[in-house]
Amino acid sequence: DSGVTQTPKHLITATGQRVTLRCSPRSGDLSVYWYQQSLDQGLQFLIQYYNGEERAKGNILERFSAQQFPDLHSELNLSSLELGDSALYFCASSVAKRLGEQFFGPGTRLTVL
Amino acid sequence: AQSVSQHNHHVILSEAASLELGCNYSYGGTVNLFWYVQYPGQHLQLLLKYFSGDPLVKGIKGFEAEFIKSKFSFNLRKPSVQWSDTAEYFCAVNAQSGGYQKVTFGTGTKLQVIP
Repeated sequence: DSGVTQTPKHLITATGQRVTLRCSPRSGDLSVYWYQQSLDQGLQFLIQYYNGEERAKGNILERFSAQQFPDLHSELNLSSLELGDSALYFCASSVAKRLGEQFFGPGTRLTVL
Repeated sequence: AQSVSQHNHHVILSEAASLELGCNYSYGGTVNLFWYVQYPGQHLQLLLKYFSGDPLVKGIKGFEAEFIKSKFSFNLRKPSVQWSDTAEYFCAVNAQSGGYQKVTFGTGTKLQVIP
């Protein structure tokens, strides 16, 4: 158990819908990262937040957005869902004031039908 | 731009065979290097990490990796693999960029160990 929690574990929805994925970082970690893992794209970094502020952006689509709240939990919002958005979405956290390892959550498996 | 290359996408070995997975990165500054493992149906876990010091790093489960700065490489090794090592292995690079850390993962190598 890494200490990072993600909800829900599984999500099944239809094309065109909007979903919200939630992540709670490890106690004391200020930085949250979101990743998308799919069979064809591999592990893709989406976005990073540090203490409530966006710090880095990767391959995140405009239909996707994220935020980190004052209690440091983060939400990833996916809208206008397409079949190709079906993937595992991982959240990771780190201390981030110094370079270090990330601790990954168990992921949310999103299936878009 | 920072990038990480993992040369082998899929490796099949018999138990007790030796393993070496390649990882090369491109970044001119100071980096921290990691290998993560993802067992089937599970999330990523840290296998080992290099920050500084001895370039030969020992991790969990008998894995080790060697940082060769001149080659921008951080290859993962294990002298004798077991069936339980079947998993996907990701090399990752953290570097300071513009005041924050930027992490880049390789595309992963799927290791299949045959009993």
